Amino acid sequence: KAGVTQTPRYLIKTRGQQVTLSCSPISGHRSVSWYQQTPGQGLQFLFEYFSETQRNKGNFPGRFSGRQFSNSRSEMNVSTLELGDSALYLCASSPMTGVSGNTIYFGEGSWLTVV
Amino acid sequence: QQQVKQSPQSLIVQKGGISIINCAYENTAFDYFPWYQQFPGKGPALLIAIRPDVSEKKEGRFTISFNKSAKQFSLHIMDSQPGDSATYFCAASMLGNEKLTFGTGTRLTIIP
Repeated sequence: KAGVTQTPRYLIKTRGQQVTLSCSPISGHRSVSWYQQTPGQGLQFLFEYFSETQRNKGNFPGRFSGRQFSNSRSEMNVSTLELGDSALYLCASSPMTGVSGNTIYFGEGSWLTVV
Repeated sequence: QQQVKQSPQSLIVQKGGISIINCAYENTAFDYFPWYQQFPGKGPALLIAIRPDVSEKKEGRFTISFNKSAKQFSLHIMDSQPGDSATYFCAASMLGNEKLTFGTGTRLTIIP
């Protein structure tokens, strides 16, 4: 069974540009979450999607957005990139949502560098 | 109240020794406490998890100890091996919520 797949793995963008990252969850998983990982702030929750609906959102500005498609694949978008958005963006999937103790599986992440 | 505090920031243990990483939380609504292991260039991988209705859970060389009254939990790695060298994160989530709140991570190095 394939794991969580994220594309692209590495990308470099210029300040002010926008970026779209893609995530394919594990087959059969319907919940997709996104996290930002930086040396300074650690792992921070961005948002979670289930059945194409955003269920939960972290404390990030509106420049960060996401969506989920009917096949559970998800994308996140960051507009008007800032230098501080340089980070590893991790996608995670789980079979369901709202069930405590749901095992959450992470992808290998997309490394974004903003110059 | 959403924080999970993790210590130490880094840890060096001799091969065969016991590695201990500690976490503390404030929000009593947390009811699921997983530990993740992350190698360089990889995403976090679930290692072991515990619910607050048990005080200890063991899987192979990895054990979680949980103290509900103190709002603390810890990861013990017995017979630590060089292959265990990685960054370890504790996390917590609430019932009905997929959001994981992570600790700041512990970089573990096992020396021969």
